[in-house]
Amino acid sequence: GIQVEQSPPDLILQEGANSTLRCNFSDSVNNLQWFHQNPWGQLINLFYIPSGTKQNGRLSATTVATERYSLLYISSSQTTDSGVYFCAVEHPAGTALIFGKGTTLSVSS
Amino acid sequence: GAGVSQTPSNKVTEKGKYVELRCDPISGHTALYWYRQSLGQGPEFLIYFQGTGAADDSGLPNDRFFAVRPEGSVSTLKIQRTERGDSAVYLCASSSTGSTEAFFGQGTRLTVV
Repeated sequence: GIQVEQSPPDLILQEGANSTLRCNFSDSVNNLQWFHQNPWGQLINLFYIPSGTKQNGRLSATTVATERYSLLYISSSQTTDSGVYFCAVEHPAGTALIFGKGTTLSVSS
Repeated sequence: GAGVSQTPSNKVTEKGKYVELRCDPISGHTALYWYRQSLGQGPEFLIYFQGTGAADDSGLPNDRFFAVRPEGSVSTLKIQRTERGDSAVYLCASSSTGSTEAFFGQGTRLTVV
């Protein structure tokens, strides 16, 4: 099946810093989503981005489908950005999302 | 409803007991998914419904796990003879017809003691 690798596994930042999270996947996809899992366990949708670039406030994401990777950019990080960021993909022949292991982000003030 | 709703939020049960976990998807969403998330891991797929039928149950770990969606809306995940290894957060997601974007509920944290 399709493999999803996220890097780095852990990231520690000072408030105000910028960061880039990466997601590599092993096959073509028809769905790629970035999620933020908050301390209460809720998966919050950040981006639905099987290809192209999107921006939402301080966050933006780019997926280069032909090279099988996606990047999530967080600018001017805040303590509330802390948590686990997951990338999940779906193969065109698949029926569900396959998740990476996540990147744990800790932002300190 | 406005979002995917799961009940209960937390469930503690004794080894060997039977449990039911409920998922109420976003109104009108035809696709419904169950996932399981163990500590420190990403969610793992269990079963997918399209309408009332289970279109893919390849992620169910064994025959103690079963799920239904009799009217194409609410779904119930049923676990028989629970084991301590079943302890995890069970997540439900739904998506609308023609879209693959999934929206998740807050999960049910199951603890088997």
